[in-house]
Amino acid sequence: SQTIHQWPATLVQPVGSPLSLECTVEGTSNPNLYWYRQAAGRGLQLLFYSVGIGQISSEVPQNLSASRPQDRQFILSSKKLLLSDSGFYLCAWRGGEDTGELFFGEGSRLTVL
Amino acid sequence: GQNIDQPTEMTATEGAIVQINCTYQTSGFNGLFWYQQHAGEAPTFLSYNVLDGLEEKGRFSSFLSRSKGYSYLLLKELQMKDSASYLCAVMDSNYQLIWGAGTKLIIKP
Repeated sequence: SQTIHQWPATLVQPVGSPLSLECTVEGTSNPNLYWYRQAAGRGLQLLFYSVGIGQISSEVPQNLSASRPQDRQFILSSKKLLLSDSGFYLCAWRGGEDTGELFFGEGSRLTVL
Repeated sequence: GQNIDQPTEMTATEGAIVQINCTYQTSGFNGLFWYQQHAGEAPTFLSYNVLDGLEEKGRFSSFLSRSKGYSYLLLKELQMKDSASYLCAVMDSNYQLIWGAGTKLIIKP
């Protein structure tokens, strides 16, 4: 069966520090992968999606970047965090042969101070 | 622009029935999803509607009217563990998901 994991689960980082969140999927090949951010009381905001190795589409211009160095690995990064980067980050892959529903990782809670 | 509307918060009593509404305006339509999200956790898939009508899954049912841009999630025999946020999402013509802000459901004993 397919599984998706992301880490770390919780981060407290100072403004201006770097960020790296990692996501891996197992049990499937060439998955469509997504990074979302969820701010309190707001809907999920799509940040990046990838349909294959090295293929990244950015939905929102900001100081975050994403990379897909391997088929089942998706990384979210920042060189210098801003206060506004605080939030709940979710990695997902599109499964569901009939419906295309998303399956989410556990989530990473980022607090920038 | 694309828009998904659902109530911010609802309160219901254990054992009762609650209906959570979702209205949408999107560029195209390729299905509507409902997800459940407990506090501090990731969303989990509940239901998918692409044709008009009612889909039933145990205590949960989801209804869709494409002509009205409207869906609802019906939860029966409410349990305390149903306390969560319920997210409505629509897949647009580019097969991207547009998300509502979620409805926080509070269950009281």
